[in-house]
Amino acid sequence: AQSVTQPDIHITVSEGASLELRCNYSYGATPYLFWYVQSPGQGLQLLLKYFSGDTLVQGIKGFEAEFKRSQSSFNLRKPSVHWSDAAEYFCAVGAGDTGRRALTFGSGTRLQVQP
Amino acid sequence: DTGVSQNPRHKITKRGQNVTFRCDPISEHNRLYWYRQTLGQGPEFLTYFQNEAQLEKSRLLSDRFSAERPKGSFSTLEIQRTEQGDSAMYLCASSAGTGEYGGYTFGSGTRLTVV
Repeated sequence: AQSVTQPDIHITVSEGASLELRCNYSYGATPYLFWYVQSPGQGLQLLLKYFSGDTLVQGIKGFEAEFKRSQSSFNLRKPSVHWSDAAEYFCAVGAGDTGRRALTFGSGTRLQVQP
Repeated sequence: DTGVSQNPRHKITKRGQNVTFRCDPISEHNRLYWYRQTLGQGPEFLTYFQNEAQLEKSRLLSDRFSAERPKGSFSTLEIQRTEQGDSAMYLCASSAGTGEYGGYTFGSGTRLTVV
């Protein structure tokens, strides 16, 4: 079974600073990896996804993530954070190679942005 | 296209009562998913429909839970004999077509409180 660990429960950064959110996954085969963002009282929005190919993936809102198989990681980055990026971020893994569609989510990282 | 709609937004019920939630996916989406999210956690997969067929069910979906999608359009999730541990946000998501794996559109959820 797959699993996801997001080691940082809460991160605070200053507006304009760079951001990196960590995600480690466990899955025996090639993982399908995702980052979602959730604002208070809202549903989740997909930021980006990785299935195969180029290990650096570009997403919406200026986010990118890098898949590192050797480290079982899929960290999310943004070069310059905006106050509107304050939200909860979830990493998820899917067993797409098996045809199963259930995603396993991490417990999330709450991002706070200081002015 | 008004997105994924979930009703009600909030539900407070007494322990032991039955509750039913409704999800209206994006109209052209043939795949529909139910997730549950408790406070401070990421969403947990409950079940998945392709059209009217229920193709995956999580072990979290106990005998007290049942989901239907009778005509391949809207879906309902019923919880019988609610328990306090059922208190959570119930999220619905939908997707369509090939290559959309993991790229779900989530609704804003139904928050259930069992007292």
